[in-house]
Amino acid sequence: GENVGLHLPTLSVQEGDNSIINCAYSNSASDYFIWYKQESGKGPQFIIDIRSNMDKRQGQRVTVLLNKTVKHLSLQIAATQPGDSAVYFCAETGGYQKVTFGIGTKLQVIP
Amino acid sequence: GAVVSQHPSWVICKSGTSVKIECRSLDFQATTMFWYRQFPKQSLMLMATSNEGSKATYEQGVEKDKFLINHASLTLSTLTVTSAHPEDSSFYICSAEIFSTSVQETQYFGPGTRLLVL
Repeated sequence: GENVGLHLPTLSVQEGDNSIINCAYSNSASDYFIWYKQESGKGPQFIIDIRSNMDKRQGQRVTVLLNKTVKHLSLQIAATQPGDSAVYFCAETGGYQKVTFGIGTKLQVIP
Repeated sequence: GAVVSQHPSWVICKSGTSVKIECRSLDFQATTMFWYRQFPKQSLMLMATSNEGSKATYEQGVEKDKFLINHASLTLSTLTVTSAHPEDSSFYICSAEIFSTSVQETQYFGPGTRLLVL
């Protein structure tokens, strides 16, 4: 089946810098995308979402960008902090249905 | 915000025994609950979709007789790993879904249950 994938398995950034985590999806029918943060030994935590009729959505220190032309999703974290260290998953769904998770990117923040 | 709990948070059992994991939505009623499995350093893989009062829908490759799911109420779903074996050792995570008409979080995830089968 079609999967949501990530380009980078591990990303190391200096504290205070901005982080950009990328994700490629292949299911053109997907209309809802979500970014989750998962800390070690815990369940996924919702960060931000975006629908396919939008190309950008901002939250507190986070921004999600959606490029439907190239089926690309990114998560930008401003002023990255040590507490941001975790694995980040992009996920897609076609509505109020099951969520399909991508591979995941481990973000390491260097103090 | 909506809270989903899981019990137990971790369990160690002998091979051949059955283990029951509970998933509860604490402050909302969940029309649908989902069960995921996550192996170390891997992504979450959906095992089954559970709707209250009806049989669960299992993903391809997931044995329904091995992973029994019961969704008896709008706030509780259980996953029973029958005759567990070491290869069933994993992190099991549930999520509960509520209906939403706006662009907002609709699935809330539990904290996960770590299962170790000896």
